[in-house]
Amino acid sequence: AQSVAQPEDQVNVAEGNPLTVKCTYSVSGNPYLFWYVQYPNRGLQFLLKYITGDNLVKGSYGFEAEFNKSQTSFHLKKPSALVSDSALYFCAVRPRGSGGYNKLIFGAGTRLAVHP
Amino acid sequence: DADVTQTPRNRITKTGKRIMLECSQTKGHDRMYWYRQDPGLGLRLIYYSFDVKDINKGEISDGYSVSRQAQAKFSLSLESAIPNQTALYFCATSVGVGTGGLVDTQYFGPGTRLTVL
Repeated sequence: AQSVAQPEDQVNVAEGNPLTVKCTYSVSGNPYLFWYVQYPNRGLQFLLKYITGDNLVKGSYGFEAEFNKSQTSFHLKKPSALVSDSALYFCAVRPRGSGGYNKLIFGAGTRLAVHP
Repeated sequence: DADVTQTPRNRITKTGKRIMLECSQTKGHDRMYWYRQDPGLGLRLIYYSFDVKDINKGEISDGYSVSRQAQAKFSLSLESAIPNQTALYFCATSVGVGTGGLVDTQYFGPGTRLTVL
């Protein structure tokens, strides 16, 4: 079965330190990969996506993500965390060739807590 | 995203009641989606629509129905609400194929928190 795993329910990091939120997937072929962020009482906001090309993708708010095909991973990173980055982060995958059906498979989410 | 709005934002109802959640968008997108979010499960797709005449079931459509009244409006109904439908519901839109870099990005509304007692 196709799935997306976010192995950490919560990640704690001190402000100013680098952060990593992990994501691995089990989807055949070369899927499209996404990260979304959810702030309290808000909908999901698109952060970045990987379609093809350079394995390091840059997105909004200083976030970036690294695609690793051999490890089927798409980890979200930021060089210096801010308290305002505290939120719930979702990794999502769309299988290619899904007949135009824009099906996103979501991970369970990782809560990022950045401490002053 | 202010371009995708959902009403109501919060709703408490009783078992057996019929409930309608509404979604409107000003993004001009053809495709619309309904998801539910449960703690520890991420988002799961309920229904999706490619255009006004196209409605498709997602992975958890049982107990739900939808109506695409116009390109900009997509409603989700719970015919007879039950407690395990208590969740956060999200509407999303996407532009559709053939639009270069915009393909595949879904944009979400603020969500509706539904509680079924």
